[in-house]
Amino acid sequence: VQLVQSGAEVKKPGASVKVSCKASEYTFTDYYIHWVRQAPGQGLDWMGWLNPNSGRTNFAQKFQGRVTMTRDTSITTAYMELSRLTSDDTAVYYCARSVIADSSYGVDVWGQGTTVFVSS
Amino acid sequence: SYELTQPPSVSVSPGQTASVTCSGDKLSDKFVSWYQQKPGQSPVLVLYQDGKRPSGIPERFSGSNSGNTATLTISGTQTTDEADYYCQVWDSTTLPFGGGTKLTVV
Repeated sequence: VQLVQSGAEVKKPGASVKVSCKASEYTFTDYYIHWVRQAPGQGLDWMGWLNPNSGRTNFAQKFQGRVTMTRDTSITTAYMELSRLTSDDTAVYYCARSVIADSSYGVDVWGQGTTVFVSS
Repeated sequence: SYELTQPPSVSVSPGQTASVTCSGDKLSDKFVSWYQQKPGQSPVLVLYQDGKRPSGIPERFSGSNSGNTATLTISGTQTTDEADYYCQVWDSTTLPFGGGTKLTVV
């Protein structure tokens, strides 16, 4: 079971970034995909989740209007796109999964992280 | 939004018991998960449903949740346990994390 993310990105302020997360060795539609970011030296910041079965999403309030989460079930891949980037968006972005049927089981598999650096 | 509060740091001597707390309003009404993160690595789930261990997590990791406080306990702490620890809950449809606690084993 693994989640493999796309490579590091360097973006200019005002641009958008799209990060992919390829799931393998489990039933993709049975688990939420969460996106969590971590700014340098800071803690974990949950951004939102995607239900790969329905396509439904839910976002943390601070990211609403700026984040989009989508998926392609044919290739078991989830995507997170963040727009209107600023230097405050410089962070490592993680995708991770949790079982849809029972929220008490925690987030049990994490991707390796994707570094996004925003600078002019 | 639901807030989880953790102490920024905890120190423990090797072989002793470490306790990391996580506070939130009526926290015992929710299931708490705990994650370990070492420098440069992705987080790892070490406890779910307050105190259950995923496969591969040593028995020295345990947890409890009562009232407004959940506690991660590491018995016989090893130097390899030095890491940042984060608590997390499901709050309706969101997944807040605590601010994290740096566990130092010295």
